[in-house]
Amino acid sequence: DVKVTQSSRYLVKRTGEKVFLECVQDMDHENMFWYRQDPGLGLRLIYFSYDVKMKEKGDIPEGYSVSREKKERFSLILESASTNQTSMYLCASSLGGASGYTFGSGTRLTVV
Amino acid sequence: AQKVTQAQTEISVVEKEDVTLDCVYETRDTTYYLFWYKQPPSGELVFLIRRNSFDEQNEISGRYSWNFQKSTSSFNFTITASQVVDSAVYFCALLHSNYQLIWGAGTKLIIKP
Repeated sequence: DVKVTQSSRYLVKRTGEKVFLECVQDMDHENMFWYRQDPGLGLRLIYFSYDVKMKEKGDIPEGYSVSREKKERFSLILESASTNQTSMYLCASSLGGASGYTFGSGTRLTVV
Repeated sequence: AQKVTQAQTEISVVEKEDVTLDCVYETRDTTYYLFWYKQPPSGELVFLIRRNSFDEQNEISGRYSWNFQKSTSSFNFTITASQVVDSAVYFCALLHSNYQLIWGAGTKLIIKP
């Protein structure tokens, strides 16, 4: 079974902490994506990557950075966590072209 | 501009009723793809269907069916004889020409026993 694995299901961090959210896919997909999902706002794209060491800003990149050192791993970094970054974070990967996305089960981050 | 609109924020029906979730899209592309995903309470988005713009045939998969109409730019999803396990948030999405998905806001479907 193909999979996208997010390292944590629930996470609680303090304001100002540096937070790493990890995502690993085993499908040899080129493309990987980070979204955040908030009630009433749907899915919003934070960053995406089309290749190793490549990254592109999505719609809401402020306060975030990413790292893709290996094809299978795409990390989302909150440089200095703030309470408004409390959200559900979803990682996805795709083969590219017209293929759909495969999602991880999400990380619910609470910043206190 | 590329856009997906799911006007129904929340729908609540009683089990065994049929229910239709609406999806209207905007695109200038002549070739495009539309998707439906399901997000159950567990949180993971699950792929349901992909349809390309050249294939307007309706699709049926068990109790699920999809009606694609280019004339009205709609790709509606119907669940027949709904079950409690169908309770979820359903997202419609349009594949952008740069291969990113444009998402609708989602429709929360509540099936009451």
